[in-house]
Amino acid sequence: DTGVSQDPRHKITKRGQNVTFRCDPISEHNRLYWYRQTLGQGPEFLTYFQNEAQLEKSRLLSDRFSAERPKGSFSTLEIQRTEQGDSAMYLCASSQESGAYNEQFFGPGTRLTVL
Amino acid sequence: KNEVEQSPQNLTAQEGEFITINCSYSVGISALHWLQQHPGGGIVSLFMLSSGKKKHGRLIATINIQEKHSSLHITASHPRDSAVYICAAYSNRDDKIIFGKGTRLHILP
Repeated sequence: DTGVSQDPRHKITKRGQNVTFRCDPISEHNRLYWYRQTLGQGPEFLTYFQNEAQLEKSRLLSDRFSAERPKGSFSTLEIQRTEQGDSAMYLCASSQESGAYNEQFFGPGTRLTVL
Repeated sequence: KNEVEQSPQNLTAQEGEFITINCSYSVGISALHWLQQHPGGGIVSLFMLSSGKKKHGRLIATINIQEKHSSLHITASHPRDSAVYICAAYSNRDDKIIFGKGTRLHILP
């Protein structure tokens, strides 16, 4: 399977714990995006990378959130001191910058439940 | 008002019915993406279009750039079509995607 993969698929944690999610994009894609999706809503942009550079962060990304893409391949999203409001689906997508528009391909998501 | 609006929010129909989901947007776009999301959460790309009409199997997507409106049609709907359908506009300002809230479709056997 050469699509976008995410790990873990599900994570249950207690409030105050730290969690880290991983995203492996399609191998030749230079852009990687993180989104958050809460129940009944469409995905909301969190941040994106072009290669290893983090080019933009949403205001939704508080200082408890950090994302990295150290070698321009896989990316990690860490949430420190989780809160119940962090419970959501975290989606990763990747694209190859190619001109008119850069179609994004989505991973299966990581569903986070904070108790 | 959201920049991308979908209607209806929820739709229940009988198997075999013709389904239409609408998407209106207020931003300039380079393309519009129709996505399908099943209960497990994964998002599957259905269509990417910037003009006209595309067809794949029982699915048809149309876009009217002047009216800033797109529709997704499902012919001969089937219970396995039950999912959330999301419209996503690729902004031509900054390459970002603006998502609609989705339409939850339930096809009854």
